[in-house]
Amino acid sequence: KAGVTQTPRYLIKTRGQQVTLSCSPISGHRSVSWYQQTPGQGLQFLFEYFSETQRNKGNFPGRFSGRQFSNSRSEMNVSTLELGDSALYLCASSLTGGIVYEQYFGPGTRLTVT
Amino acid sequence: ELKVEQNPLFLSMQEGKNYTIYCNYSTTSDRLYWYRQDPGKSLESLFVLLSNGAVKQEGRLMASLDTKARLSTLHITAAVHDLSATYFCAVDKSRQLTFGSGTQLTVLP
Repeated sequence: KAGVTQTPRYLIKTRGQQVTLSCSPISGHRSVSWYQQTPGQGLQFLFEYFSETQRNKGNFPGRFSGRQFSNSRSEMNVSTLELGDSALYLCASSLTGGIVYEQYFGPGTRLTVT
Repeated sequence: ELKVEQNPLFLSMQEGKNYTIYCNYSTTSDRLYWYRQDPGKSLESLFVLLSNGAVKQEGRLMASLDTKARLSTLHITAAVHDLSATYFCAVDKSRQLTFGSGTQLTVLP
């Protein structure tokens, strides 16, 4: 079974630009979550999507947004990029049924803002 | 607000030695996870702990959960160099993971 895939893997953008990151979950997984990892703040939850609806949102400004498509693929968008947005962005997918809600992480997209 | 504290943050240990990483969390939770991260890589799931008293073992790693004390431990037995990585615990509250700061483990020959 293929794992979670994220594209692109690396990205360099300039302050003020916007960026879109993509995540394809494991086949059959309908929940996709996004996390930001930085050396200073660690791993922080951004948002979770299920059936094209945002179910949970972390404490990030409105510049960070996302969406999910009918095939469960998800995108996140960051507008008006700031230097502090440089981070590894991880997406994770999971099944929604059953007692074990385990999230499987993709390889991440490393975003550098200059 | 859920807080997750891991200690130690940095751990250097010699091959063959035992050690324990601790993970404390501030509120009741649905599940607790342990992940491993190698430099520049993503998170690899190690253990999922669902209930009080849960203990899981895989190779030289053993994880346990005490929900009453809000404490999970990751015990390393007879460390080997391949275990060098950063280990994170994460607490699941309503399908939202809150991570500890991570423990950077270095196993020295």
